Amino acid sequence: NAGVTQTPKFRILKIGQSMTLQCTQDMNHNYMYWYRQDPGMGLKLIYYSVGAGITDKGEVPNGYNVSRSTTEDFPLRLELAAPSQTSVYFCATCSGLGTAGELFFGEGSRLTVL
Amino acid sequence: KNEVEQSPQNLTAQEGEFITINCSYSVGISALHWLQQHPGGGIVSLFMLSSGKKKHGRLIATINIQEKHSSLHITASHPRDSAVYICAVGNAGNNRKLIWGLGTSLAVNP
Repeated sequence: NAGVTQTPKFRILKIGQSMTLQCTQDMNHNYMYWYRQDPGMGLKLIYYSVGAGITDKGEVPNGYNVSRSTTEDFPLRLELAAPSQTSVYFCATCSGLGTAGELFFGEGSRLTVL
Repeated sequence: KNEVEQSPQNLTAQEGEFITINCSYSVGISALHWLQQHPGGGIVSLFMLSSGKKKHGRLIATINIQEKHSSLHITASHPRDSAVYICAVGNAGNNRKLIWGLGTSLAVNP
């Protein structure tokens, strides 16, 4: 059981470039989340999904897009990268219905935009 | 005022001490989570609570639903317990998203 797998772990982007952060889980969880964590700050929700084909915006969705074509995969797309998107990104799943289940996190993806 | 407040923000302890981290929230909840994040590391779930008390090794988590308060206790603390401890709640009114505390940074000195 791999759990939640995020790639890449590190990436440096130039302003205006685009990229996709990959997130895959093998636990058959319906609920998946993308968070960003800025230094010294709490987690901010970017997008979330409650099942294949269903996604919704979180607190800070601007500059990002997601898709959920399968239960396993929940990629996060950054379009036209900006320095403000420099952050550590975490993908997470929840085992239960809604938020009353165990949380599982990927190892994080550290993104720097220069 | 944040809907989830943790205290203290920072905590320094000597090895072996009993540690308590507090989490207060202002919304009705479906569940409360305690998580751990080591410096530069990933995030690991410690507990999910909806009532009562849970114990795992040297860690104990309690919740008082009436008082909207939870505590995370670490017995016989060890330097490897040094980490940020984060409280998050599932809002009963919107059970799709979590509300996050800002975390408590714990340093345990040998």
